[in-house]
Amino acid sequence: DTGVSQDPRHKITKRGQNVTFRCDPISEHNRLYWYRQTLGQGPEFLTYFQNEAQLEKSRLLSDRFSAERPKGSFSTLEIQRTEQGDSAMYLCASSPPDRPSYNEQFFGPGTRLTVL
Amino acid sequence: KQEVTQIPAALSVPEGENLVLNCSFTDSAIYNLQWFRQDPGKGLTSLLLIQSSQREQTSGRLNASLDKSSGRSTLYIAASQPGDSATYLCAVRDTGNQFYFGTGTSLTVIP
Repeated sequence: DTGVSQDPRHKITKRGQNVTFRCDPISEHNRLYWYRQTLGQGPEFLTYFQNEAQLEKSRLLSDRFSAERPKGSFSTLEIQRTEQGDSAMYLCASSPPDRPSYNEQFFGPGTRLTVL
Repeated sequence: KQEVTQIPAALSVPEGENLVLNCSFTDSAIYNLQWFRQDPGKGLTSLLLIQSSQREQTSGRLNASLDKSSGRSTLYIAASQPGDSATYLCAVRDTGNQFYFGTGTSLTVIP
């Protein structure tokens, strides 16, 4: 399978714990995005990487959230001191570098987080 | 800030009917617009991407149009099938690198 993959697919944690999610983009894609989606809503942009550089962060991304893409390949999203309001689906997407499709996003299956 | 609205929120049609889903956005300074489908509990599947300089894109039974000046896009689905049942989302990219999604239209095609 050469699509975007995310791990784990589901995570249940207790309030106050830290969690980390991983995203592996399509191999030749240099752009990577993280989104959060709650029930009945569209995805909300969290952050964007071009290669290893984090170029944009949403104001929604509190200090408890941090994302990395150390070698410009896979990315991790960490949430520290989780709160019940963090329960959501966390989606990762990647985009290819070349025209004409370089703005087309390809999404992974998501990681569903439940904070008890 | 860009705001994206999708109407209707839900739609139920009998199999075989043609249908139109609507997407509107408040800031016409967009780079492109992309339509997705999402099945329950799953990620998003890209359907069509329209660059800001384009008026429409077609793929099989799907046709998407873009009127940037009026801030509107439509997704036309011809001869709907039960397998088309899903939530359809539109997303616009602003002139930076942020994408803004609507809340989606939940489509049910009744056999």
